[in-house]
Amino acid sequence: GDSVTQMEGPVTLSEEAFLTINCTYTATGYPSLFWYVQYPGEGLQLLLKATKADDKGSNKGFEATYRKETTSFHLEKGSVQVSDSAVYFCALSELDTGRRALTFGSGTRLQVQP
Amino acid sequence: DAMVIQNPRYQVTQFGKPVTLSCSQTLNHNVMYWYQQKSSQAPKLLFHYYDKDFNNEADTPDNFQSRRPNTSFCFLDIRSPGLGDAAMYLCATSRSSGTSTDTQYFGPGTRLTVL
Repeated sequence: GDSVTQMEGPVTLSEEAFLTINCTYTATGYPSLFWYVQYPGEGLQLLLKATKADDKGSNKGFEATYRKETTSFHLEKGSVQVSDSAVYFCALSELDTGRRALTFGSGTRLQVQP
Repeated sequence: DAMVIQNPRYQVTQFGKPVTLSCSQTLNHNVMYWYQQKSSQAPKLLFHYYDKDFNNEADTPDNFQSRRPNTSFCFLDIRSPGLGDAAMYLCATSRSSGTSTDTQYFGPGTRLTVL
């Protein structure tokens, strides 16, 4: 079955540091890949997505590239801010198969210190 | 703004007392989902509606039911809440054409406390 593996947190960085959160996946078909962000006490917000190999999703300074050869979708940001402190979930959906559920990774908590 | 709305944001109930959580959407999406998220865990899909068709996950307890009276609204009913049902409940929506499904958009969640 499908699965998503994320690096364990918490990840603690100083403001303006470079961020990488690793995400790898296994899937039977050709999934779309997503990063969702969850701020404390809130629901999930779509951060970015990519629907095919070599696509780069980007939003709010965050980027992730769909790498089919390494089955990865690592999240990066060049300079993090305190306001980026949240839990980040990598997820996949095999849209072509009609299975509509998202398969989530376990989440990575990011703490950015001033 | 088009959005997914959940009410209430916080719900406290007593052990065994039925509770209903509500979700509404202005996105006109045909698919609505309910997820359960326990502390420090990933969301877990309970069930979803594809139009009027109800799709239950195999491991969702019978204690959890859902209703979708129209396109815009979906309810989660917990018939006899146990202490283990305390969690954040997330509603999400997407547009699906049958063989493809668009991005899921989530509401802010309802945090359920069981006393």
